[in-house]
Amino acid sequence: DAKTTQPPSMDCAEGRAANLPCNHSTISGNEYVYWYRQIHSQGPQYIIHGLKNNETNEMASLIITEDRKSSTLILPHATLRDTAVYYCIVRVTGNQFYFGTGTSLTVIP
Amino acid sequence: EAGVAQSPRYKIIEKRQSVAFWCNPISGHATLYWYQQILGQGPKLLIQFQNNGVVDDSQLPKDRFSAERLKGVDSTLKIQPAKLEDSAVYLCASSLEDSNEQFFGPGTRLTVL
Repeated sequence: DAKTTQPPSMDCAEGRAANLPCNHSTISGNEYVYWYRQIHSQGPQYIIHGLKNNETNEMASLIITEDRKSSTLILPHATLRDTAVYYCIVRVTGNQFYFGTGTSLTVIP
Repeated sequence: EAGVAQSPRYKIIEKRQSVAFWCNPISGHATLYWYQQILGQGPKLLIQFQNNGVVDDSQLPKDRFSAERLKGVDSTLKIQPAKLEDSAVYLCASSLEDSNEQFFGPGTRLTVL
């Protein structure tokens, strides 16, 4: 599976949109992009995934570039409870998840 | 719906001792995973079960780690003997057979002294 590159940390003001970038320049055509997050002292939580189209659910939006070499997770109105480590994972269905070290997002009051 | 249950939540042992962790997945979830998460790192898959069969155990240190899921429901992960570098949080997750969404338990924090 392709590896991903994420900034180690980011800050976001409460109520503003949080935009978390992820580079996956070696992604192949059958690899999906997944996002999970891990709040302190809890297990990771699924957020969203996509292949090439943009996706939206009740938690977030996922924007994948046309060449699929990068993506952005958008939390439209960040709250303090969104403070967590966010993992971007590229994976072929059936293969294991490689979590990496993720982006530590801090939402500031 | 009840989530993934794990016990104990915390365990402190001395090196060379044995330890076992228990996981009860979400009812109906055929796939069960054990992950190891060392402080400051993302979770690393140790073993994946589909019902009571092993799908992937390529990263399980088999000289000291073992896992079983005898009836295709609960699972136990054992370390014997433990080393200092085994200090970590051990996470259990489960998913439906054809789903990409894994549900994680709260984890067991192991400290090896």
